[in-house]
Amino acid sequence: DIVMTQSPDSLAVSLGERATINCKSRQSILYTSNDKNYLAWYQKKPGQPPKLLISWASIRESGVPDRFSGSGSGTDFTLTISSLQAEDVAVYYCQQYYSTPPWTFGQGTKVDIK
Amino acid sequence: EVQLVESGGGLVQPGGSLRLSCAASGFTVSDNYLSWVRQAPGKGLEWVSVIYSGGHTYYADSVRGRFTISRDNSKNMLYLQMNSLRAEDTAVYYCARGRDHWNFFDYWGQGNLVTVSS
Repeated sequence: DIVMTQSPDSLAVSLGERATINCKSRQSILYTSNDKNYLAWYQKKPGQPPKLLISWASIRESGVPDRFSGSGSGTDFTLTISSLQAEDVAVYYCQQYYSTPPWTFGQGTKVDIK
Repeated sequence: EVQLVESGGGLVQPGGSLRLSCAASGFTVSDNYLSWVRQAPGKGLEWVSVIYSGGHTYYADSVRGRFTISRDNSKNMLYLQMNSLRAEDTAVYYCARGRDHWNFFDYWGQGNLVTVSS
């Protein structure tokens, strides 16, 4: 199984400041044949289902604010919230969908307001 | 509009069985990859099972041999039959659609709590 590890487990950021979440996979999730990284990011709020933010490591979903961005390749990925808003308080998960199942999630990163 | 609506959760004793249902609308279940994902209390997300458009199924090691994923194309429904339930199966279960035959999830149900306890 491909283990996904996020860091930090939690962080508190002032409103309007940048939040950065890291996600590391134990093996590369970059398919060299198509140059795509099989990595998605989700936002999870209590009592709600996860919401897809980003796929293919950097492709933002329609309707997702452009303060959310994804980057990285191979084994190291980052989700950045450029200017934290109150509604961004949530737990964020990365997920790999490389090759065959199981598809695995990171343990989650809780984002709060400082 | 794409929607997934789950039902069938509840309280069950260890060793018991339960079937979750997921009613899909706005798309055809037989044309898509559909998964079950769960979240135990205070824990993270865990992928459980998938059924591909061609009918192939896969399971997480933690549920293989106990859970069965299936669908009813005529009703546009997805199911998860859960047998030999354990306390560690207690979780909110979500059905989720894979985008364009990929296995990241663009639509999710609202979640259904399954509690395994005596």
